[in-house]
Amino acid sequence: GENVEQHPSTLSVQEGDSAVIKCTYSDSASNYFPWYKQELGKRPQLIIDIRSNVGEKKDQRIAVTLNKTAKHFSLHITETQPEDSAVYFCAAAEITNTPLVFGKGTRLSVIA
Amino acid sequence: GAVVSQHPSRVICKSGTSVKIECRSLDFQATTMFWYRQFPKQSLMLMATSNEGSKATYEQGVEKDKFLINHASLTLSTLTVTSAHPEDSSFYICSASRGGWAQETQYFGPGTRLLVL
Repeated sequence: GENVEQHPSTLSVQEGDSAVIKCTYSDSASNYFPWYKQELGKRPQLIIDIRSNVGEKKDQRIAVTLNKTAKHFSLHITETQPEDSAVYFCAAAEITNTPLVFGKGTRLSVIA
Repeated sequence: GAVVSQHPSRVICKSGTSVKIECRSLDFQATTMFWYRQFPKQSLMLMATSNEGSKATYEQGVEKDKFLINHASLTLSTLTVTSAHPEDSSFYICSASRGGWAQETQYFGPGTRLLVL
């Protein structure tokens, strides 16, 4: 089955700096890679996703890159703000309506 | 947009009792719903895939007789934790997608926090 590894487990950055979180996956059949932001006690919120036919996707301060050959994908947050502080999870699935396999999460702290 | 609700949001029960959690897709039909469990400071772990009108598919290590799943309609899936024990205390989250269309993403419910005393 699919295995998703996520690094780092914790990340502290100064406000305004960039943050990068990396994930690798094992199953070449995976084609859908969403990223979720979860605040304490709340549901995961989809912040960006990418499908295997695209190498990069950007939405304002958030971007995701995908390297299918190497089986890794990364989340990039630029100009970080204190409200970006949360736990971020990467995930992989065959397609969007199949079970998601999550990474272990990255606790991001943005220091003002 | 696509909205998924869960009820109750929080439940405290005594050991040995059963607890039912509902997951509803409010503005779309979901042929498939997923149930995840999240322990404190850990990731989401898939428990089972709930298919409307058929038996759920459970992940390895998840007891189907303990975690009963019923997906009776296209908008409702229920998870019943039977004979709950303190180790079942966790955050249970469902997700749903419209299904059948590869471009549709999954939407998560707000989660149910279960505490078994």
